[in-house]
Amino acid sequence: EVQLVESGGGLVEPGRSLRVSCAASGFTFDDYAMHWVRQAPGKGLEWVSGITSDGSRKAYADSVKGRFTVSRDNAKNSLYLQMNSLRSEDTALYFCAKDLGRWLQYNWFDPWGQGTLVTVSS
Amino acid sequence: DIQMTQSPSSMSASVGDRVTITCRASQGISSWLAWYQQKPGKAPKLLIYAAYILQSGVPSRFSGSGSGTDFTLTISSLQPEDFATYYCQQANTIPYTFGQGTKLEIK
Repeated sequence: EVQLVESGGGLVEPGRSLRVSCAASGFTFDDYAMHWVRQAPGKGLEWVSGITSDGSRKAYADSVKGRFTVSRDNAKNSLYLQMNSLRSEDTALYFCAKDLGRWLQYNWFDPWGQGTLVTVSS
Repeated sequence: DIQMTQSPSSMSASVGDRVTITCRASQGISSWLAWYQQKPGKAPKLLIYAAYILQSGVPSRFSGSGSGTDFTLTISSLQPEDFATYYCQQANTIPYTFGQGTKLEIK
């Protein structure tokens, strides 16, 4: 069974940094691109970032470009999102999601993890 | 950015009803559209991609159609487990944007 488990969320002050992780199992991790999608409390979905299966290409939403960095460790079957200069508007449940392809050529998200909550507040 | 607009934003229906949700893109996206279902406290689930392809394991009462700017998700006969929020998503252009959601409630 494909499983994605996020971790690392928590309460952080504005301007600080946080790294969230996603542990993957049940599929050949290095065969697939991966994404981060977030959902502010009571709001809709916002795509944040994507990375190809080999990590060679990355893409970001304008709202996080220059502040967030996506990475992966295929040896550890893990996806990461390093979040710097956090703002209150970054408060959200952060989901990792598997792409249906390797090279960010599809960008359909399935499945998703259960999410990790990041709260940015003083 | 490509704006995705769903209608209605909410609706109520009864078990057995046929339901249609629409999604309009602010510019043409060919067939680069997906539909997701999200239940309270759960992660979204992919139902349909490439506008009309049913994801494996999704019941056949779900169907999608459209291309260019106008798309529809149809549930042919609502089941109790279908009451949820539905989102469309375009995969044509970065950033990959979602509609605001359609909340489907029990009448």
